Amino acid sequence: NAGVMQNPRHLVRRRGQEARLRCSPMKGHSHVYWYRQLPEEGLKFMVYLQKENIIDESGMPKERFSAEFPKEGPSILRIQQVVRGDSAAYFCASSPPGLAGGTGELFFGEGSRLTVL
Amino acid sequence: GNSVTQMEGPVTLSEEAFLTINCTYTATGYPSLFWYVQYPGEGLQLLLKATKADDKGSNKGFEATYRKETTSFHLEKGSVQVSDSAVYFCALSDLDNNDMRFGAGTRLTVKP
Repeated sequence: NAGVMQNPRHLVRRRGQEARLRCSPMKGHSHVYWYRQLPEEGLKFMVYLQKENIIDESGMPKERFSAEFPKEGPSILRIQQVVRGDSAAYFCASSPPGLAGGTGELFFGEGSRLTVL
Repeated sequence: GNSVTQMEGPVTLSEEAFLTINCTYTATGYPSLFWYVQYPGEGLQLLLKATKADDKGSNKGFEATYRKETTSFHLEKGSVQVSDSAVYFCALSDLDNNDMRFGAGTRLTVKP
């Protein structure tokens, strides 16, 4: 029973390029959350999605960042025209419908570490 | 909106010392409370949880009690080990809004 799978684990981009981070939730999970962790800082909420729906994107920067969770396939966090300040670890978490059936537990992937040169 | 405030780190302790990491919350409704742990180079793992007032969550020698009167969920361990060195995150979920929020994290280093 595979856990939350994120890829790539490490991604290097030059300024101005695009970064795409993928997240496959645990089997049976239909809710996906994306968080960003800057070096030596805490976890910042970015966006919460259900299949084909963005539920809460209050933590997403207004420009260059977008997220989707299509009916088929993984959730994707897309960063256009990356800048050095985008360098961070991006974590995906998933849960079943209704936040783990009432327990509220999230299951995290191992993260994707983006480095912008 | 819902939010969590936890003690800033870093915290450095000697092996077998007593650990407390403070966490307070602000929420509407009746949230569930959690402590997650992040070991170096890994994602977050659930450490313990409590779903209602006066519940005590416990795991691996760690404990936290859901105190509604003080809106707190402090993490404690009586005797820390070097292997407990990690970043600890307090979190709350509000099931009515499908909302999950994390504190900033507290880095714990335990020295032999």
